[in-house]
Amino acid sequence: DAMVIQNPRYQVTQFGKPVTLSCSQTLNHNVMYWYQQKSSQAPKLLFHYYDKDFNNEADTPDNFQSRRPNTSFCFLDIRSPGLGDAAMYLCATSRDRGENSPLHFGNGTRLTVT
Amino acid sequence: AQSVTQPDIHITVSEGASLELRCNYSYGATPYLFWYVQSPGQGLQLLLKYFSGDTLVQGIKGFEAEFKRSQSSFNLRKPSVHWSDAAEYFCAPQCSGAGSYQLTFGKGTKLSVIP
Repeated sequence: DAMVIQNPRYQVTQFGKPVTLSCSQTLNHNVMYWYQQKSSQAPKLLFHYYDKDFNNEADTPDNFQSRRPNTSFCFLDIRSPGLGDAAMYLCATSRDRGENSPLHFGNGTRLTVT
Repeated sequence: AQSVTQPDIHITVSEGASLELRCNYSYGATPYLFWYVQSPGQGLQLLLKYFSGDTLVQGIKGFEAEFKRSQSSFNLRKPSVHWSDAAEYFCAPQCSGAGSYQLTFGKGTKLSVIP
């Protein structure tokens, strides 16, 4: 009974072709996050939603966008993927922000850009 | 500037041996502290967390971690490693100030287990 579900597990896209990654949660958590993890590196926060409030990290490229149409779903849109965007993309949720709200991660979507 | 350091990139231990993974942080105030584990091709799973109180915290899968304020450390330990513990381990401090939320992950320590 997976609680944070990411689809697909593997995604291949072409250079410059828009791609959307999906995340859903059954935890009814307020906060949803998107992390980018390149090979042998730590996950890097791209942005998060606190309910409907979108929070972008300062160094997240404009090429990355996100949508949260409801509590359960969150999407990551990459408008024009470059070779450097190949990575594992991790979705996470937390009940709230701050202490005592640890993150719950999905299994990730591995994106390949050809 | 806030930072977290995991000095060991890769550690190899024999099954049944003890394990200690190091984590040091540099924050203005004592942060909340987490350890996450990532199996190959998977997301991250919370092992344990420290907010306050007892400096030795117990987690899942037989792991424990000890917070040492004087050393700004939060090292992860396990008395006897199992082959299934082979994974990557991330230390992650979180600012404890009002309104703070961002988790900063260390670069990770990859654990290999020899049968």
